[in-house]
Amino acid sequence: DVKVTQSSRYLVKRTGEKVFLECVQDMDHENMFWYRQDPGLGLRLIYFSYDVKMKEKGDIPEGYSVSREKKERFSLILESASTNQTSMYLCASRVEDTQYFGPGTRLTVL
Amino acid sequence: GENVEQHPSTLSVQEGDSAVIKCTYSDSASNYFPWYKQELGKRPQLIIDIRSNVGEKKDQRIAVTLNKTAKHFSLHITETQPEDSAVYFCAASRTSGTYKYIFGTGTRLKVLA
Repeated sequence: DVKVTQSSRYLVKRTGEKVFLECVQDMDHENMFWYRQDPGLGLRLIYFSYDVKMKEKGDIPEGYSVSREKKERFSLILESASTNQTSMYLCASRVEDTQYFGPGTRLTVL
Repeated sequence: GENVEQHPSTLSVQEGDSAVIKCTYSDSASNYFPWYKQELGKRPQLIIDIRSNVGEKKDQRIAVTLNKTAKHFSLHITETQPEDSAVYFCAASRTSGTYKYIFGTGTRLKVLA
C-alpha cells in the first residue's frame, strides 16, 4: 500500500508567522506535489518536485516556498502566513502515472 | 493555460438511479485521465482511470468513457447507493515530463435514500 503522511491534520497560526507543512512518503517516489483545496475551486497546484532539491512552481506559488532535501520528504513553507492562506493543504506522491494523496492539513490563519 | 472543465458542480439522484459527470480538457497531449472520490473529511482516492488508447473502462458499477477527438471524458455510476455520496474530481495529465495533473473543480454527488 502506498503511504503518504502529513505532519498535522489541523493547524492554527497567527498572521505573519512562518509555517511549515511536511509530507512524507515511504516508497522512494520521485514526484511529489502540494495542492490547496478550497470550496468551488477544486485542487490547485502550488509547487511540485521531481527529485531531491528540484522544484517547479505550480499554478499558485505566490506566498509559498518548498524544500526537498531528502527524497521521502517534501515541505511546504508559508514565509509569512496571511488570512487568505487559510485552506486545506494536500500533499501527493506519484506512483507510475497515479498520484496518491496524504490526509490533508487544515490550516487556519488568524 | 491548460484547464479541465467539470459539470455539473452538484448532482442529486435517487438511490438506484444513474449519475453522470462530464469533463472537458484543453491539452490535446493529455493521455491519462484519473477520477478521484473524496468523502467528507477524507483524502481524495483514485476510483478509476483511463488512458488515451482506450475508449471505455468499467469496474463494477463505475465506468469511464473517453472521446479524444472531442476532448471529453465522463464518469458513469450505475445503481447509485448512499455511500456513493461524495465529491468527485476528474483530472487530465501527460504521462511524461512533470506528470502534472490538471483537476476539474469537482462535483458534489448526493444520493438520496
